[in-house]
Amino acid sequence: DIVMTQSPDSLAVSLGERATINCKSSQSVLYSSNSKNYLAWYQQKAGQPPKLLIYWASTRESGVPDRFSGSGSGTDFTLTISSLQAEDVAVYYCQQYYKTPPWTFGQGTKVEIK
Amino acid sequence: EVQLVESGGDLVKPGGSLRLSCAASGFTLSDAWMSWVRQAPGKGLEWVGRIKSKSAGGTTHYAAPVKGRYTISRDDSKNTLYLQMNSLKIEDTAVYYCAREGGSYGGAFDIWGQGTVITVSS
Repeated sequence: DIVMTQSPDSLAVSLGERATINCKSSQSVLYSSNSKNYLAWYQQKAGQPPKLLIYWASTRESGVPDRFSGSGSGTDFTLTISSLQAEDVAVYYCQQYYKTPPWTFGQGTKVEIK
Repeated sequence: EVQLVESGGDLVKPGGSLRLSCAASGFTLSDAWMSWVRQAPGKGLEWVGRIKSKSAGGTTHYAAPVKGRYTISRDDSKNTLYLQMNSLKIEDTAVYYCAREGGSYGGAFDIWGQGTVITVSS
């Protein structure tokens, strides 16, 4: 199974500042035949289900603010919140969906306001 | 409105069984590949299993911790997904979500239900 490891486990960022979350996969999730990275990012606020933010590693889901961006390829990925807002306080998860299940998630990164 | 609504969560004793339902609305369930994802109290997300659409063969896959104990099925005529859980263990205690794998998103989950709570305890 592909193991997803996020860093850090938590971070506190001032309002308006940049937040960066890293996600590393134990093997490449880049499919050579279509050059797509099979990697998604989710936001989960307290008491709510997860919400899809980013898929194909860098494609923003419809309605997601453009302060959220995804980057990376192969085994190393990053979710960046360019200017943290109060409503961004949440736990963020990466997930791989490369080829066949099992799909796996990172352990989560908790983002708080400093 | 595109929506998934889970039901069937309960308190059950170890070794017991339970069936969860996930009612879909606002989209054609028969076209969708669907998964169950769970979240133990205070923990992260864990993929449980998936069922493809019938047109894609209706194949199921399961995570190792539940394989042989859980069964995912679908009744497209009722727009409903099911999760049959047998031989339940204390470590199966979690919020269980159903989620749609968006076709153009690969295996990313674009729609999630609100979740239903399973507590396994004596």
